[in-house]
Amino acid sequence: AQTVTQSQPEMSVQEAETVTLSCTYDTSESNYYLFWYKQPPSRQMILVIRQEAYKQQNATENRFSVNFQKAAKSFSLKISDSQLGDTAMYFCAWGGAQKLVFGQGTRLTINP
Amino acid sequence: EADIYQTPRYLVIGTGKKITLECSQTMGHDKMYWYQQDPGMELHLIHYSYGVNSTEKGDLSSESTVSRIRTEHFPLTLESARPSHTSQYLCASSDFPNYGYTFGSGTRLTVV
Repeated sequence: AQTVTQSQPEMSVQEAETVTLSCTYDTSESNYYLFWYKQPPSRQMILVIRQEAYKQQNATENRFSVNFQKAAKSFSLKISDSQLGDTAMYFCAWGGAQKLVFGQGTRLTINP
Repeated sequence: EADIYQTPRYLVIGTGKKITLECSQTMGHDKMYWYQQDPGMELHLIHYSYGVNSTEKGDLSSESTVSRIRTEHFPLTLESARPSHTSQYLCASSDFPNYGYTFGSGTRLTVV
């Protein structure tokens, strides 16, 4: 069975700093996707970034980028120039053909 | 605009009452999911459906039941609510989970 582990329950940084959230996963499948979701306080969960496992190039979306290390089964999220609006729960997820498996989440707080 | 809707957004109800949490999506997705989110914010899959008349129990045992009579509608029912059911319930849908889920805004249920 697939598992996803986020080892940082909480993180806190100052506005404009760069922060990296860690995620490791375990799977025996060769074709899969990886995701980072953001859940702001009392708001809808939204997709931040998606990585296809067969692509070596790391995905980027504006200030958000990933460091995908397939052999190490590691998938970290880097947020550059952090903003107050980045304060949220962040979930790492592994995606197979039928469903996603989520990590435990990391609560990120951006301080002014 | 294609989206996924959950109602009610907040619900406070007495012990022993029957409740139905509504989830509807306008994207024509075959796959739909219910998650229970605990106070620590971890997501637990409680039910899922891969299409009309298909429902399965998830990883976390739940006293709730679901139905899938129409593609767009995936309601969750608690026959007799108890304080232990107090939680946030998130509904999600997908056509190909490899591309991620679309989440609803959630229902925060409090049983008193």
